[in-house]
Amino acid sequence: DVKVTQSSRYLVKRTGEKVFLECVQDMDHENMFWYRQDPGLGLRLIYFSYDVKMKEKGDIPEGYSVSREKKERFSLILESASTNQTSMYLCASGIQVTYNSPLHFGNGTRLTVT
Amino acid sequence: AQTVTQSQPEMSVQEAETVTLSCTYDTSESDYYLFWYKQPPSRQMILVIRQEAYKQQNATENRFSVNFQKAAKSFSLKISDSQLGDAAMYFCAYRSGLEGSGAGSYQLTFGKGTKLSVIP
Repeated sequence: DVKVTQSSRYLVKRTGEKVFLECVQDMDHENMFWYRQDPGLGLRLIYFSYDVKMKEKGDIPEGYSVSREKKERFSLILESASTNQTSMYLCASGIQVTYNSPLHFGNGTRLTVT
Repeated sequence: AQTVTQSQPEMSVQEAETVTLSCTYDTSESDYYLFWYKQPPSRQMILVIRQEAYKQQNATENRFSVNFQKAAKSFSLKISDSQLGDAAMYFCAYRSGLEGSGAGSYQLTFGKGTKLSVIP
């Protein structure tokens, strides 16, 4: 079974802090994604990566950056956390070969910025 | 840009009964893929079923089936013999099938979700 592991289930940070959300997958997937989930808004794509050191902006990249130094690890960085970044963050990975392959998700990190 | 609409924020169903969750999408593409994901309280997103747009036959996975109407751009999920474990948020998702359109085409575009409650 594919395993996507997010390092923290719950996180509480203060406004202005630099926050790192870590995600590791164990299936050698090329593609990795960071989504943000908010009630009534569904999942919105923040950033994705299709290879090591490669990244592309999703629909809502403002206030975020990412890092992919190794194929299995994809980090989401909040350079200066703000209260409007309080949300559930979901990491996902998937293979590149076929379009009907599903994404595999982690359990999510619920981030609260106070 | 593609959009996915789930018009039912919440639904409920009696245990053992059948329920249908609606999903419509907007796209100008002819080749694409559709997915239904389930997110139980544990928060783990789980793939329920997938459909390739080029296939006319509706996908089925045990108690889960879809009604795919390509012309109407509709992709509803039917859950038969509902069980308590089916209670969850359900998300409809779209992926472009354009070959060579770049890595961005591998991303999924999600609807806002439908919260399904199962009544014992």
